[in-house]
Amino acid sequence: DTGVSQDPRHKITKRGQNVTFRCDPISEHNRLYWYRQTLGQGPEFLTYFQNEAQLEKSRLLSDRFSAERPKGSFSTLEIQRTEQGDSAMYLCASSLRQGIYNSPLHFGNGTRLTVT
Amino acid sequence: AQSVTQLDSQVPVFEEAPVELRCNYSSSVSVYLFWYVQYPNQGLQLLLKYLSGSTLVKGINGFEAEFNKSQTSFHLRKPSVHISDTAEYFCAVTEGGGFKTIFGAGTRLFVKA
Repeated sequence: DTGVSQDPRHKITKRGQNVTFRCDPISEHNRLYWYRQTLGQGPEFLTYFQNEAQLEKSRLLSDRFSAERPKGSFSTLEIQRTEQGDSAMYLCASSLRQGIYNSPLHFGNGTRLTVT
Repeated sequence: AQSVTQLDSQVPVFEEAPVELRCNYSSSVSVYLFWYVQYPNQGLQLLLKYLSGSTLVKGINGFEAEFNKSQTSFHLRKPSVHISDTAEYFCAVTEGGGFKTIFGAGTRLFVKA
């Protein structure tokens, strides 16, 4: 169990640029989640995958955001035409779904995005 | 839809004193409850969880929490805190059989010498 890893740890970009983040979940976990955390707030749910299928997207996720999980392994989160309001910590988490049991979330250390 | 309220945004406490971090949730169905801790510049770590069974659950680092269904609460306690417990603590809820975990806004625990 090598844990959930996210890359990069920090990203500074200019308004209007596109950015892409990567998440590698724990290998045997079939569920993958993206959350966003701003200063002084708890993580807010963005989207989740069961294997390679994206099963729900939050209304927080505008059309500028897209997430993929090809082959049910790693995932990418892309933000197009970034805005200053996108500045936040983007967290990835994974869990194992077995029958009706869903294991607790295991989080990565996050990618901190700063849009200037 | 489920929601989580953490009643205190900050809790200052002296070392070796007891502490309670309060959490209330709302849901119309059965729930799983969690406490996560986030140390500075680190990711969230699971502190403890309630899935079913005994309403008193014990976690890592001497923390425990009690599920109270009638009061829809899941307060976190520790009888004697250490400086190293200084961190942000998040209460979270997942509806039974569901997929989405919802987090509270967090409580910053600050332990003073």
